[in-house]
Amino acid sequence: NAGVMQNPRHLVRRRGQEARLRCSPMKGHSHVYWYRQLPEEGLKFMVYLQKENIIDESGMPKERFSAEFPKEGPSILRIQQVVRGDSAAYFCASSPYTTPGTAGNTIYFGEGSWLTVV
Amino acid sequence: DQQVKQNSPSLSVQEGRISILNCDYTNSMFDYFLWYKKYPAEGPTFLISISSIKDKNEDGRFTVFLNKSAKHLSLHIVPSQPGDSAVYFCAASVAGTYKYIFGTGTRLKVLA
Repeated sequence: NAGVMQNPRHLVRRRGQEARLRCSPMKGHSHVYWYRQLPEEGLKFMVYLQKENIIDESGMPKERFSAEFPKEGPSILRIQQVVRGDSAAYFCASSPYTTPGTAGNTIYFGEGSWLTVV
Repeated sequence: DQQVKQNSPSLSVQEGRISILNCDYTNSMFDYFLWYKKYPAEGPTFLISISSIKDKNEDGRFTVFLNKSAKHLSLHIVPSQPGDSAVYFCAASVAGTYKYIFGTGTRLKVLA
């Protein structure tokens, strides 16, 4: 499967626990994005990463949320001390590198990780 | 501030007819636009895109139209099929920022 791979697909956590969501981009893609979809809402940008580098995290909550994309391995979205309001679908997307200043890049999504906080 | 708006939360169309999904944006710096389709419990699937140097792009049954002066784009599906029933999201980006802003989606229901 050459698509964007996310796991786990479903995750249940009790309030106060940590949630870790993993994303492996498509082969040849060097950029990873994380989006969140709350129930009955659209997709909200959270963070954009390249290998070992956070490029834009303007959509990430200031506390409890962090993301990384190490040199080796998948991108990780980490949510510490989860609360009920964190229950949502978290989508990862990836894209190939594009020369800065040019448009026309398409991002491809994984199947999503559904987090339920009980 | 919702920079990309899909003002119709839902749309019903008869099978075989045309579906027209609309999207408005406020940021005149956006220069690349995309449409995605999403089924329940799945990730969004890329459908079609258009850059701001064009006003139309066609791919099979899907055509996207861009009206830059009105800051409006639309997705036409002809003919509509029951399998097209899904939520459709439009998205926009500014060159070099790599931030894709999504609308809130329109739920299309194609009636057999």
